[in-house]
Amino acid sequence: DAGITQSPRHKVTETGTPVTLRCHQTENHRYMYWYRQDPGHGLRLIHYSYGVKDTDKGEVSDGYSVSRSKTEDFLLTLESATSSQTSVYFCAISESGRANYGYTFGSGTRLTVV
Amino acid sequence: GENVGLHLPTLSVQEGDNSIINCAYSNSASDYFIWYKQESGKGPQFIIDIRSNMDKRQGQRVTVLLNKTVKHLSLQIAATQPGDSAVYFCAEMAMYSGGGADGLTFGKGTHLIIQP
Repeated sequence: DAGITQSPRHKVTETGTPVTLRCHQTENHRYMYWYRQDPGHGLRLIHYSYGVKDTDKGEVSDGYSVSRSKTEDFLLTLESATSSQTSVYFCAISESGRANYGYTFGSGTRLTVV
Repeated sequence: GENVGLHLPTLSVQEGDNSIINCAYSNSASDYFIWYKQESGKGPQFIIDIRSNMDKRQGQRVTVLLNKTVKHLSLQIAATQPGDSAVYFCAEMAMYSGGGADGLTFGKGTHLIIQP
């Protein structure tokens, strides 16, 4: 998707290892979000950021931390990966925190914890 | 791909027919709704939105209907094409929450399959 990239696109990791997913944007949008997508649950918000070094928890934040040291990058870290964190992770950006300004989603990262 | 279609309701329609995808939302205070389309291996893409002071809104080949009485939202796609095959999500938001990022709640999705 234009203006937003996620890396890596796929990752397999072992239980107990730390994992960091990266979201990079070139739109200079203030708001960035991390969602996870699982069967039967749809998209659920993990954490979001409303500016550099400004972050807050979402619906399913346990086991995750985030950092935003510059506008263009929002990192999601699993300190000690568990099998329940096997999921597809999507990053989104928006100019405003209000949904009617539109969210743009990245292409996702498929994470498998074995 | 990244779709979760195996666990989703599925709607199968013939190419050229109209499709209607339904969504029940949970929060009677929600006053803004969005439909997203997610193709295999991609992130969700915005299709159309509607505010609670409206009951219908039309876009190009798509129409969203909102029935606040029964908390129901539908997406109508006219003259369905093969490229419409995807998972479709509704999302709701309560503006009174300040429009913060935690105000957007997604539905579980419907997998639309187009038969040739």
